[in-house]
Amino acid sequence: QKEVEQDPGPLSVPEGAIVSLNCTYSNSAFQYFMWYRQYSRKGPELLMYTYSSGNKEDGRFTAQVDKSSKYISLFIRDSQPSDSATYLCAMMGSGAGSYQLTFGKGTKLSVIP
Amino acid sequence: ETGVTQSPTHLIKTRGQQVTLRCSSQSGHNTVSWYQQALGQGPQFIFQYYREEENGRGNFPPRFSGLQFPNYSSELNVNALELDDSALYLCASSLDATSYQETQYFGPGTRLLVL
Repeated sequence: QKEVEQDPGPLSVPEGAIVSLNCTYSNSAFQYFMWYRQYSRKGPELLMYTYSSGNKEDGRFTAQVDKSSKYISLFIRDSQPSDSATYLCAMMGSGAGSYQLTFGKGTKLSVIP
Repeated sequence: ETGVTQSPTHLIKTRGQQVTLRCSSQSGHNTVSWYQQALGQGPQFIFQYYREEENGRGNFPPRFSGLQFPNYSSELNVNALELDDSALYLCASSLDATSYQETQYFGPGTRLLVL
């Protein structure tokens, strides 16, 4: 079992839809949770981060963490064609003094005008 | 823009050759991490450097090595290239390796193709 599981999709939605992206994880040491957006042939860019259970909102984006279920989600409201990208969940624990990110596979999202 | 740059953008090598990839971190960021992203996969952690010393390593063989310099630049070296080394190589800089709350900012990556 991989440490972080993420459905790779692809996911295709009409413009204006609410998008739900999810990841599950198995390592209880993960303390810090992030969502990155990656456009084709570009590096990942940080969208949101959180380190506690509950919801965090930023504009059209809401990140949700449930540590008891080891489950995180990203919701995108009023989705736009410019949101079409691959969304990567990432998590961080600690080990041997190194704070490495462990990523999911990424979910490819297409928002159709 | 994250302020993290990488060179070259693309590179083609043959099996058995050696390659050096370069990264320039944000000014003031004393931590750099390198990741390998195969096609259709999430990035995988290779190693991290903090103040010019290796600070942790993922599940990669010793032929993957690195250097970090005082001027916020760093290198990833790969010896004896294999076909499976074909991937996007990403560097990420952060302010401080001693706090798990430090955000990592990624560069655009170097796409390596091994023939």
